[in-house]
Amino acid sequence: DVKVTQSSRYLVKRTGEKVFLECVQDMDHENMFWYRQDPGLGLRLIYFSYDVKMKEKGDIPEGYSVSREKKERFSLILESASTNQTSMYLCASNANLDQPQHFGDGTRLSIL
Amino acid sequence: DQQVKQNSPSLSVQEGRISILNCDYTNSMFDYFLWYKKYPAEGPTFLISISSIKDKNEDGRFTVFLNKSAKHLSLHIVPSQPGDSAVYFCAASEWGNYGQNFVFGPGTRLSVLP
Repeated sequence: DVKVTQSSRYLVKRTGEKVFLECVQDMDHENMFWYRQDPGLGLRLIYFSYDVKMKEKGDIPEGYSVSREKKERFSLILESASTNQTSMYLCASNANLDQPQHFGDGTRLSIL
Repeated sequence: DQQVKQNSPSLSVQEGRISILNCDYTNSMFDYFLWYKKYPAEGPTFLISISSIKDKNEDGRFTVFLNKSAKHLSLHIVPSQPGDSAVYFCAASEWGNYGQNFVFGPGTRLSVLP
């Protein structure tokens, strides 16, 4: 069974800090995704990656960057955290871009 | 403006009855639709999908109906069980430069009452 693991379930950071959210998948999937989930807005795509060192912007990339140095790991970086980045962050992966995605359990990030 | 809408934020249904969750979309280029279920403190899990060449897909107690002319799809759960209580996300996709681009709705919280 596919396992997508996010390193932290809960995280509290301060405004201006650089924040790293880590995600690892164990199924050798080509594609990995970062979403944020906010009430009334559903899941919105921040960035995705279709190969090592490759990345594409999603719908809301502003204030975020990503890193994919290894196939199994996809990191989301908040360069200078702001309070409007308080949210639930979900990582996902799939083998092909026309297949359903497998999600991690999420990281609830609070920026104070 | 949201391309995928789920106009009911919540729905309550009695155990054993039918649950109907609705989803509307605006982009006529969407050609693949999915439903995900999400329990608290867990990530969404894929439930069922339908391609635009079909109008119905069934998997056990779950059936998804697609009405392309109305840009509407629905998820039917029969019979509903308390374990079905969760948030349900509708998602739609179209082909982009790198494959399917998925767009998610805001979700509907289903409560199945024993």
